[in-house]
Amino acid sequence: AQKVTQAQTEISVVEKEDVTLDCVYETRDTTYYLFWYKQPPSGELVFLIRRNSFDEQNEISGRYSWNFQKSTSSFNFTITASQVVDSAVYFCALSEPYNTDKLIFGTGTRLQVFP
Amino acid sequence: GAGVSQSPSNKVTEKGKDVELRCDPISGHTALYWYRQSLGQGLEFLIYFQGNSAPDKSGLPSDRFSAERTGGSVSTLTIQRTQQEDSAVYLCASTEDRGRTEAFFGQGTRLTVV
Repeated sequence: AQKVTQAQTEISVVEKEDVTLDCVYETRDTTYYLFWYKQPPSGELVFLIRRNSFDEQNEISGRYSWNFQKSTSSFNFTITASQVVDSAVYFCALSEPYNTDKLIFGTGTRLQVFP
Repeated sequence: GAGVSQSPSNKVTEKGKDVELRCDPISGHTALYWYRQSLGQGLEFLIYFQGNSAPDKSGLPSDRFSAERTGGSVSTLTIQRTQQEDSAVYLCASTEDRGRTEAFFGQGTRLTVV
């Protein structure tokens, strides 16, 4: 079955702290794609990253980094030196293009960064 | 257009009335999704259109909900005999290449049933 679990409902940090958002997925396919999206208070979902199942190389983009581990079915997201503007709800998502081929989201993690 | 467009942005309706929500995906995008997001909640999958294939309706919560996509482009989500629990933000998204590429989301339609 296709499933995404984000166990952390809400996280609060103080500016400049590092924070990691967890994402665990379930799939029976060997080919799949993982995504992270950000939903700021304005409401519009913004794409952050896509990773396919054959590429386990970790990625860094500025203060953002992603750790993909197939052995634990996890795709965690770390924000280094968090800022108030990082406050948002973050969603992890999974698609199986050769199976159900629909994009399924986790329940999201609300991140609050306080000054 | 440049992005996914949804209309109306806000809709207030009386319980029992029917409503239609519209989504204009990005031109050329073959896949189109509808999601529902209740206040403070995650994204609940409703329906998925991919090209000319039969839509995946597995997420529709009841037979009061239906959707169609005409000409592989514009989509309409219809809710019949609305109930208060239908109040939510309805989000539409489109993708270029099935589930392989990122989804682009519209701003959503906030539906309030009174």
